[in-house]
Amino acid sequence: EIVLTQSPATLSLSPGERATLSCRASQSVSRYLAWYQQKPGQAPRLLIYDASNRATGIPARFSGSGSGTDFTLTISSLEPEDFAVYYCQQRSNWPPFTFGPGTKVEIK
Amino acid sequence: EVQLLESGGGLVQPGGSLRLSCAASGFTFSNFAMSWVRQAPGKGLEWVSGLSSSGGGTFYAESVKGRFTISRDNSKNTLYLEMNSLRAEDTAVYFCAKDRDSGYYQGVFDYWGQGTVVAVSS
Repeated sequence: EIVLTQSPATLSLSPGERATLSCRASQSVSRYLAWYQQKPGQAPRLLIYDASNRATGIPARFSGSGSGTDFTLTISSLEPEDFAVYYCQQRSNWPPFTFGPGTKVEIK
Repeated sequence: EVQLLESGGGLVQPGGSLRLSCAASGFTFSNFAMSWVRQAPGKGLEWVSGLSSSGGGTFYAESVKGRFTISRDNSKNTLYLEMNSLRAEDTAVYFCAKDRDSGYYQGVFDYWGQGTVVAVSS
């Protein structure tokens, strides 16, 4: 099973700042990595798939990069609605599809 | 508009059973693989099970294999999860999720329901 680790666990930033979230896989997942956003009491929302493709309706301030074992989600300028938990997920080697433990982006 | 509406959750005793349903609308249900993903209280996301668009291919996490059964009725646009021998550690919000692309099961979950709560406790 591929294990995903995310860092940092919590990111404290102010609106307008740049957020950089990291996801590392225990073995190569090629580019088969997605990012999801989840707000309290809500379902997850797909942001990025296959490392760098924005999902439908996702603003351009969200971007993804990486391949192999190291991936990054960047939010270029945080909007108030971006404060949430972000999960990465791999689909390279399954079952199971696995998720990272999440990074919480909180208001500083 | 794609909509996924889960139902069937509730409080059940250890060893008991539940059947979850996910009613889909707004897309051609029979063309897409579907999945169940759960989230224990205060925890992260865990993929539980999935099946192909036809229902011919089914897949399970090791933690539920042999206890849970996933199925679908394409004539009713509904996904199911039959859960038996429930344990305290199965307590979670259960989400159904749609695959992004039609065809084979890919594991990119582009639409999610709001979830149904399963609580296993005596």
